[in-house]
Amino acid sequence: GAVVSQHPSWVICKSGTSVKIECRSLDFQATTMFWYRQFPKQSLMLMATSNEGSKATYEQGVEKDKFLINHASLTLSTLTVTSAHPEDSSFYICSARDGVRQGDGYTFGSGTRLTVV
Amino acid sequence: LAKTTQPISMDSYEGQEVNITCSHNNIATNDYITWYQQFPSQGPRFIIQGYKTKVTNEVASLFIPADRKSSTLSLPRVSLSDTAVYYCLVGDRGTGRRALTFGSGTRLQVQP
Repeated sequence: GAVVSQHPSWVICKSGTSVKIECRSLDFQATTMFWYRQFPKQSLMLMATSNEGSKATYEQGVEKDKFLINHASLTLSTLTVTSAHPEDSSFYICSARDGVRQGDGYTFGSGTRLTVV
Repeated sequence: LAKTTQPISMDSYEGQEVNITCSHNNIATNDYITWYQQFPSQGPRFIIQGYKTKVTNEVASLFIPADRKSSTLSLPRVSLSDTAVYYCLVGDRGTGRRALTFGSGTRLQVQP
């Protein structure tokens, strides 16, 4: 089935630094990718929708200048957490859908555990 | 998007059949019902999707009554590895351009 590769799987960074998370669709083209955030024991919350070749759409309450999204190609979207702070520590997950193999639903990356110290 | 309601948690034992019911009273005519499974520190994984009646695959079955206001995910003979959070989602089948909206999910704990 469709595969979405997400890296890194975990990262620890110092407060004030930036971290980039990559999400690649390996065997399909993803015009649209989605970025979610998940805090412990909570459900996934949509942060933004990433569209290839255009600006991302952010959900209410998500700072676009803090969470920079780039979707420069049909197979790669990146999320950069700028000037990270401890409250940004969370599990970040990307998702996309293979428009050809529609029966498989949406495919999710394996997630990135970000810890800001 | 239709809101879903499912039990917060369920407990079971290995070898038992587990049925998780989801309520979606305001499901729209074009909406499909999809279930995802999530293990700790992993992204969700698609389990099954259906529109009406019954759908079965190698992993689970999905039962949808005629009024489609609820659905039941059935996991036959669960094992310890089925311990996970299960999410019921309702929405279009997915063009890939609209994000999924996750509810609270059901945390299934399978005991030996």
